[in-house]
Amino acid sequence: NAGVTQTPKFRVLKTGQSMTLLCAQDMNHEYMYWYRQDPGMGLRLIHYSVGEGTTAKGEVPDGYNVSRLKKQNFLLGLESAAPSQTSVYFCASRGGIGYEQYFGPGTRLTVT
Amino acid sequence: GENVEQHPSTLSVQEGDSAVIKCTYSDSASNYFPWYKQELGKRPQLIIDIRSNVGEKKDQRIAVTLNKTAKHFSLHITETQPEDSAVYFCAPKSDYKLSFGAGTTVTVRA
Repeated sequence: NAGVTQTPKFRVLKTGQSMTLLCAQDMNHEYMYWYRQDPGMGLRLIHYSVGEGTTAKGEVPDGYNVSRLKKQNFLLGLESAAPSQTSVYFCASRGGIGYEQYFGPGTRLTVT
Repeated sequence: GENVEQHPSTLSVQEGDSAVIKCTYSDSASNYFPWYKQELGKRPQLIIDIRSNVGEKKDQRIAVTLNKTAKHFSLHITETQPEDSAVYFCAPKSDYKLSFGAGTTVTVRA
């Protein structure tokens, strides 16, 4: 099992450009999450999904959109990137019974 | 939403000594209390967790204690080793979500 994977690993964007980050899990997990991590801060929840076809806002959703069309994939979109979105983005998933979240390796995004 | 505070923010210990990190939370409905370890440039990984019906849990050199009445839980690391140097996060769960503390940077001095 690959666990949780994220694509791409690194990306540099110019202000105003758009992009999509892909998270994939092969553990048949119901729940998926997108976080951002900034220096000196913990992980902050952007959006999450409790099952295929569902999405919900987290703590810092502004400027991001998500979709969960397939159970194994959770996409995070930035429509018009801003320098404030420079961060490391982590995806996580968990099954329906246990509470442990399994994290992907992260995507380092820089917006200039 | 859940307010989470973690103390201290940095901790330096001599190899072999113990380390304790405390996490306070605000949501009395929280029912799951994990600790994650993150090494530099890596993803967070669960090291120990506890559910609300248990007061203490141990796994070799690490332990977690929970005080639901006071709304805090703590991570205890005994006989610290250089590989324990990392950032540790508490992340109490309410509803479907984890709320992460700001992290504690632990440095183990040889």
